Amino acid sequence: DTEVTQTPKHLVMGMTNKKSLKCEQHMGHRAMYWYKQKAKKPPELMFVYSYEKLSINESVPSRFSPECPNSSLLNLHLHALQPEDSALYLCASSQDGSGNTEAFFGQGTRLTVV
Amino acid sequence: GESVGLHLPTLSVQEGDNSIINCAYSNSASDYFIWYKQESGKGPQFIIDIRSNMDKRQGQRVTVLLNKTVKHLSLQIAATQPGDSAVYFCAEREWAIKAAGNKLTFGGGTRVLVKP
Repeated sequence: DTEVTQTPKHLVMGMTNKKSLKCEQHMGHRAMYWYKQKAKKPPELMFVYSYEKLSINESVPSRFSPECPNSSLLNLHLHALQPEDSALYLCASSQDGSGNTEAFFGQGTRLTVV
Repeated sequence: GESVGLHLPTLSVQEGDNSIINCAYSNSASDYFIWYKQESGKGPQFIIDIRSNMDKRQGQRVTVLLNKTVKHLSLQIAATQPGDSAVYFCAEREWAIKAAGNKLTFGGGTRVLVKP
């Protein structure tokens, strides 16, 4: 199993809603990531979890709250988002952070904030 | 030929020809580089990687070249096929604290269009 699974695939939410994005991998990877990708732009790193601990936060606004319940799961909790937060949210995982190993990406959640 | 579109540079290639996609990276401390392919509506897919102690690496129909002197990375695709049409991103790893996780920074991307 070399997949990173993200749910839901599409999400439309209002600016007062609370929602969560979910990511799961069963490759035994110990590093997991959230990226944000706007149309026709490269993915931008948001958060890195290494061994279930938050290791990198790229100055992301607090309306985005990551959570890593265990080594296979990664969540992104959303609250009071703005329309400019509409984007493709990508989850990725890699073996760990210390070696030269590629990150495997999920298919993303297409988020629209209305 | 290569042209700069409104948002993404585009490389138009005839089916069967070789493609060369270029990438300039900015951080001389980057030690690991990856090429990703992203098809419409999908997440990035790993193609090939290279460490900074190498200058060339070959895969199936793909070759990555690294020139650290000028901080340049290229991806060569041999005998380009219609299925190669996608956006290609280079990514560099900024070495962070060990076990802190890979901090991959993506380049701007190049769209490859394969003409039959």
